[in-house]
Amino acid sequence: DADVTQTPRNRITKTGKRIMLECSQTKGHDRMYWYRQDPGLGLRLIYYSFDVKDINKGEISDGYSVSRQAQAKFSLSLESAIPNQTALYFCATSDPGQGAWETQYFGPGTRLLVL
Amino acid sequence: AQKITQTQPGMFVQEKEAVTLDCTYDTSDQSYGLFWYKQPSSGEMIFLIYQGSYDEQNATEGRYSLNFQKARKSANLVISASQLGDSAMYFCAMRERTAGGTSYGKLTFGQGTILTVHP
Repeated sequence: DADVTQTPRNRITKTGKRIMLECSQTKGHDRMYWYRQDPGLGLRLIYYSFDVKDINKGEISDGYSVSRQAQAKFSLSLESAIPNQTALYFCATSDPGQGAWETQYFGPGTRLLVL
Repeated sequence: AQKITQTQPGMFVQEKEAVTLDCTYDTSDQSYGLFWYKQPSSGEMIFLIYQGSYDEQNATEGRYSLNFQKARKSANLVISASQLGDSAMYFCAMRERTAGGTSYGKLTFGQGTILTVHP
């Protein structure tokens, strides 16, 4: 079984709709992240959480919100989807106990299309 | 200024040959980590290799090695004996310490290089 799972894997929605992308992990990591990937722009950080009570904005948080329901679960919401939020979304986790070796492990991604 | 620069949008290599994917970075921190990830056409992000700024030896993982030149601020990925399955997008990323300097923070990614391996 995958250590980091994302649901749904693909989603088509309409402008103005509220949608939620979910991420679950079985790695026992404290830190979780949401990224989006657009062609030619690499990955950009939306939000991150270093533990259950910690939520931080990334470089492109406008139009998004997150909820860290438990150590293992981190969800991303688009309150009112717009077409330029069409992208590939990744969840990632990491273990700060690795210190300088801390590595982020990614989920399989969610392809979102906003019409 | 870009923190991570990958200057090669696309690279081609013949099967069984070696290829180098370039990555330069910009940081004023003395302690940082450099990572390479592979993204095949299926979309997942696969961790390949890590190099710490204080590591004196270049990192190696199987056919992957990282050519780390600290003074030049470069961290190039070398893939030896290329295989058809190596065709993918490759991302270089850096992690610096958080403001306040006590723990390591988020990753910053480059724009990626598409590698195509020809038979």
